[in-house]
Amino acid sequence: RKEVEQDPGPFNVPEGATVAFNCTYSNSASQSFFWYRQDCRKEPKLLMSVYSSGNEDGRFTAQLNRASQYISLLIRDSKLSDSATYLCVVNRFNKFYFGSGTKLNVKP
Amino acid sequence: ETGVTQTPRHLVMGMTNKKSLKCEQHLGHNAMYWYKQSAKKPLELMFVYSLEERVENNSVPSRFSPECPNSSHLFLHLHTLQPEDSALYLCASSQFAVGGSNEQFFGPGTRLTVL
Repeated sequence: RKEVEQDPGPFNVPEGATVAFNCTYSNSASQSFFWYRQDCRKEPKLLMSVYSSGNEDGRFTAQLNRASQYISLLIRDSKLSDSATYLCVVNRFNKFYFGSGTKLNVKP
Repeated sequence: ETGVTQTPRHLVMGMTNKKSLKCEQHLGHNAMYWYKQSAKKPLELMFVYSLEERVENNSVPSRFSPECPNSSHLFLHLHTLQPEDSALYLCASSQFAVGGSNEQFFGPGTRLTVL
């Protein structure tokens, strides 16, 4: 079983839509959690860390459910510039495990 | 310079060449990583260094040879590569901690083409 699993998509949404991505992780000892964004042919960039209490950064909200071992990312009021691949990342004992990414296409 | 830098940004080499990729981090981190990303594929971890000691070698062929002379610099020496080694090579750094690492930051990558 993969350490981190994500729906590859693509999610095709119109501008202004709300879209949610989920991610599951297999090891309950995982310690820290992140969402990264990767544009085509570029490096992954940290979007936000994910905390147990949930956290929000502008239009982006991340949630962690340790009991169910899943992480979510909600994007409100999608912009064309949100089009990218979103990577779910889990850290356990200083080793990072990457999901294969969920592709988002925001269309005019 | 800030963050994580990598040179060169693009590299074309023949199968018999020897070249090196360089990474430098300016974040004061104590761990550095090499990843490979082939076209439309997920990231593959290659090597991890913590405090200049290699702590992970993810079954990488010996034609890739890492070197970490200090906590700020990481090299990937390449020799007798194959065309299937063509990919984006990404360097990253983080701060190892007892409770698990904080965020990992990536350099812009070296796009390698092996002819």
